[in-house]
Amino acid sequence: EAGVTQFPSHSVIEKGQTVTLRCDPISGHDNLYWYRRVMGKEIKFLLHFVKESKQDESGMPNNRFLAERTGGTYSTLKVQPAELEDSGVYFCASNGQVQETQYFGPGTRLLVL
Amino acid sequence: EDQVTQSPEALRLQEGESSSLNCSYTVSGLRGLFWYRQDPGKGPEFLFTLYSAGEEKEKERLKATLTKKESFLHITAPKPEDSATYLCAVQAGGTYKYIFGTGTRLKVLA
Repeated sequence: EAGVTQFPSHSVIEKGQTVTLRCDPISGHDNLYWYRRVMGKEIKFLLHFVKESKQDESGMPNNRFLAERTGGTYSTLKVQPAELEDSGVYFCASNGQVQETQYFGPGTRLLVL
Repeated sequence: EDQVTQSPEALRLQEGESSSLNCSYTVSGLRGLFWYRQDPGKGPEFLFTLYSAGEEKEKERLKATLTKKESFLHITAPKPEDSATYLCAVQAGGTYKYIFGTGTRLKVLA
């Protein structure tokens, strides 16, 4: 069974540019989560989708971040415009039922210059 | 405020030298506590889930335990391949998000 996949694995952009990250959850998983780890800090929650609906977006830092999950399959996280402090590793996780273990993808390493 | 603190930040062990990693938590209504292993450049890899005080889980050289305030990850006779960052996360009642600690970087020397 394929795990959670994320694309791209790395992205280097300049301040003010736009970047879109993609996450493909494990097939059949209705729940999809985005997390972020900035340098030296712990992994922090961004938001949670149930199918295509946003269940909890309490961790989204500001309105420069837009997450979508059209069709309830893969999800995208767009940062527009990117700022220096957005640099970090963005992880996606999924599970079938909310009480189950979350399985993480390999992450996208974003560097904003 | 829900919080997770892991100690030590880093740990160096000789191969075969057993030790324990600590995860202290403050959370309103614990749904579950999770241990993950993370290798450089990769995502967290699931190890254990613990739900209630007194619960224990084992897998190879690893054993996780849980009390009402903390969890321990015991590593028995570690090998160099156990070198990784070990992450602890909790899930509080009323929410399904994970709250992570900053992790313990473990290095096992041959």
